Parts: sequence; C-alpha cells; structure tokens
Amino acid sequence: AQSVTQLDSQVPVFEEAPVELRCNYSSSVSVYLFWYVQYPNQGLQLLLKYLSGSTLVKGINGFEAEFNKSQTSFHLRKPSVHISDTAEYFCAVTLYNQGGKLIFGQGTELSVKP
Amino acid sequence: DARVTQTPRHKVTEMGQEVTMRCQPILGHNTVFWYRQTMMQGLELLAYFRNRAPLDDSGMPKDRFSAEMPDATLATLKIQPSEPRDSAVYFCASARRTGDSGTEAFFGQGTRLTVV
Repeated sequence: AQSVTQLDSQVPVFEEAPVELRCNYSSSVSVYLFWYVQYPNQGLQLLLKYLSGSTLVKGINGFEAEFNKSQTSFHLRKPSVHISDTAEYFCAVTLYNQGGKLIFGQGTELSVKP
Repeated sequence: DARVTQTPRHKVTEMGQEVTMRCQPILGHNTVFWYRQTMMQGLELLAYFRNRAPLDDSGMPKDRFSAEMPDATLATLKIQPSEPRDSAVYFCASARRTGDSGTEAFFGQGTRLTVV
C-alpha cells in the first residue's frame, strides 16, 4: 500500500537557523510530490511540487525540496527560517495512474523561536 | 481570485442530527476531494470525485456519511446521524486533472464541526 511518512512530528528551531523537514514515501508506481503548509485555523496552501525534471524544486517563502528517487524521499529545506514560518507542514503524494488520489503524511509542526 | 469555498465555516450540532457541508470548487476544476482532519488521525481522505463521478469513497463510513456532486459547481458531504466522534475539520479541495497530470489541489478554509 502507498504511504507517506513524515519522520518528525515536531521541529523546534531558532529564528534564522536552517531547517529540514523530512518526508519519505512508499509506492509501487511513480508519484508526484507536494509540500503544503497550514497556518492556524487555515486551509492548506501549496509550498512546492515535483512533477518531473530537475529533482531540486523551489517554492514560495524561500523553501526548496529535493526529490531522491533511490531513497524515496522528498525533504523540505529552508536556509534561514522566520517566526512567520511557524506552521504545520504536510508532505503529500499523488500516485501516477491511480486517478489522482492525493495522500498526505501526518504533518510536521515547525515552531520557530526568537 | 479563484478559491474553493466551503460553507459553513463552523457548525455545532447535537448528536443524532443531520449535518450537510457544502463546497464550491474552483471553476474549471474537475476533481474534488473531501478530507477530514483530526489531531489523532491527521488528514484522512474520505472521498474524491472526477467529473462529478465518485472515484473512491473507501475512506468514508458508509453507514452515516454520503458525498455527492449535484452539479459541477457544488459538492456536498452529509452525515446522518452525526456522532461526537465526527467532530473534526472537514476540508474540500479541487484540482484540474487530465489523465495523470499532477496539478496541485487547492484547499478550502474548512468546516469545523463539533457534535455535542
């Protein structure tokens, strides 16, 4: 069965420090990969996506992620975080040839401290 | 500014009552998802539709939940009868999908349901 695993449920970090949020997936078919962010009491907003091509993708708010097919990972990174980055981050996959079903990981709560 | 619109934003109801949540997908989007978010389970896919036809509703408790798309501009999720364990935030999302293209899904603001 296909699944998405976010390895850290909570990541505390100081402002201006770098951060990496980890995501691994399991699938027998090719996938498209996404990172979404959810601010308190809000819906989910797309940060970035990998569909094909370059394995390093850049998104909004200075975030980037790298697709590693051999390790089935899609880790999210930011070189310097701000207080405003405090939010819940979700990794998600859409399975190729599976009707576009979108499966989410459990989420990582990023807490940026001054 | 295209967006997915969900109503109501908040709903408090008594156990046993019927609850209907509505979603207006972005114009031109042909795929609609319903998710439920709780602290314990995270984001669970309840059902999704392509061109108004259900593709997968295996995540939905069939005895009390039902999802429909009466037309391309409206998706509904009903719970009858509601139970306290249904308390959660319900999200609708829409996407434009052709074949297996991986366009992203756009999410609504959610309906926060509390069943007392």
